[in-house]
Amino acid sequence: GDSVTQMEGPVTLSEEAFLTINCTYTATGYPSLFWYVQYPGEGLQLLLKATKADDKGSNKGFEATYRKETTSFHLEKGSVQVSDSAVYFCALTPEGGNEKLTFGTGTRLTIIP
Amino acid sequence: KAGVTQTPRYLIKTRGQQVTLSCSPISGHRSVSWYQQTPGQGLQFLFEYFSETQRNKGNFPGRFSGRQFSNSRSEMNVSTLELGDSALYLCASSPRGATGLSPTDTQYFGPGTRLTVL
Repeated sequence: GDSVTQMEGPVTLSEEAFLTINCTYTATGYPSLFWYVQYPGEGLQLLLKATKADDKGSNKGFEATYRKETTSFHLEKGSVQVSDSAVYFCALTPEGGNEKLTFGTGTRLTIIP
Repeated sequence: KAGVTQTPRYLIKTRGQQVTLSCSPISGHRSVSWYQQTPGQGLQFLFEYFSETQRNKGNFPGRFSGRQFSNSRSEMNVSTLELGDSALYLCASSPRGATGLSPTDTQYFGPGTRLTVL
């Protein structure tokens, strides 16, 4: 079945550092790929998405590129802020889709001033 | 547009009881999905409803059930509660239509209901 493997956390960075959170997936064909973020005590918010190979999703300075050849969707940001501290989830829905999101285990990110 | 709303936000029950959680989707969204989030198992898909019909189901026991009303609002029910049912239950809605062929539909999540079973 489908699966998502995410970089183990927690990750602690200083403000203005460069961020990479690795995500790889196993799925048939061309799934849609997502990054969601969860702030303390809240539900999930969509951060960005990509629905076909080589697409780049971007939002709030975060970017991720859909790499079919490496089955990856790594999240990057050039300069993190304290307000980026949260848990980040990589997820996919199957090609041709149904609504079932398969999530990675989440990566807790803490940014130190 | 108002976001996905879930009620109640917090709930405390004892083992053996049953519980009903409610979810109101974003206006115009007809698909509603439910997820369970626990520290041990992470985020797991429970089921999805579309036009009052269950369209997809995850690997949960029959104690977990749901339904959807004609206004797209959804409820999920857990009977005979166990300690392991303690979790954050998240509802998500999407504008995906009947054929489900669009790859671009996004699910929007509510704040969740935190269920504690004692």
